[in-house]
Amino acid sequence: DQQVKQNSPSLSVQEGRISILNCDYTNSMFDYFLWYKKYPAEGPTFLISISSIKDKNEDGRFTVFLNKSAKHLSLHIVPSQPGDSAVYFCAASAMGNQFYFGTGTSLTVIP
Amino acid sequence: DVKVTQSSRYLVKRTGEKVFLECVQDMDHENMFWYRQDPGLGLRLIYFSYDVKMKEKGDIPEGYSVSREKKERFSLILESASTNQTSMYLCASSRFREAYNEQFFGPGTRLTVL
Repeated sequence: DQQVKQNSPSLSVQEGRISILNCDYTNSMFDYFLWYKKYPAEGPTFLISISSIKDKNEDGRFTVFLNKSAKHLSLHIVPSQPGDSAVYFCAASAMGNQFYFGTGTSLTVIP
Repeated sequence: DVKVTQSSRYLVKRTGEKVFLECVQDMDHENMFWYRQDPGLGLRLIYFSYDVKMKEKGDIPEGYSVSREKKERFSLILESASTNQTSMYLCASSRFREAYNEQFFGPGTRLTVL
């Protein structure tokens, strides 16, 4: 049973525009969320995180929004760049235990 | 610079063979993890370890075992490889019990079982 879902397998965005990647979860005990980025033939690398006590966290071009009532988080990339083309995974944890990963969204930024 | 290395990038084995996947981290991390990544399924946790000689089952441990004899090394063992174990295997590590600590991943091993 998939506790973390990314319903869009792929997304294409023009360079300079905003990319919005979405993630939904079912477990209300999740209190920490991360986004990872994965290039082909490489392992995932940490991008940004958010705790459930916040509803927004920003790091440069990357912002993560958390809507606890909807059990939904999103990653915004502004402006999108061709180097952002990768697979993005969201992950969630309850009280520091194991992380549950989503199925990933493949982002393509078109120059 | 933190580093997690995996012994092979690509591996081809035959059904029934015993397969060892090795992972080494140089960050003195206590926690180590083995995942497999499959299309449409994301990353699924196979086993993890919080300390030497300690192991915990993840979500899909069937058909796998692990060994952690040294802090820096975590091995995944397929006792008798089967075709449904063809996958990308990812190792990760993180600091102990620092809740919400990010995991650092290795580059992955693409295993094909014929």
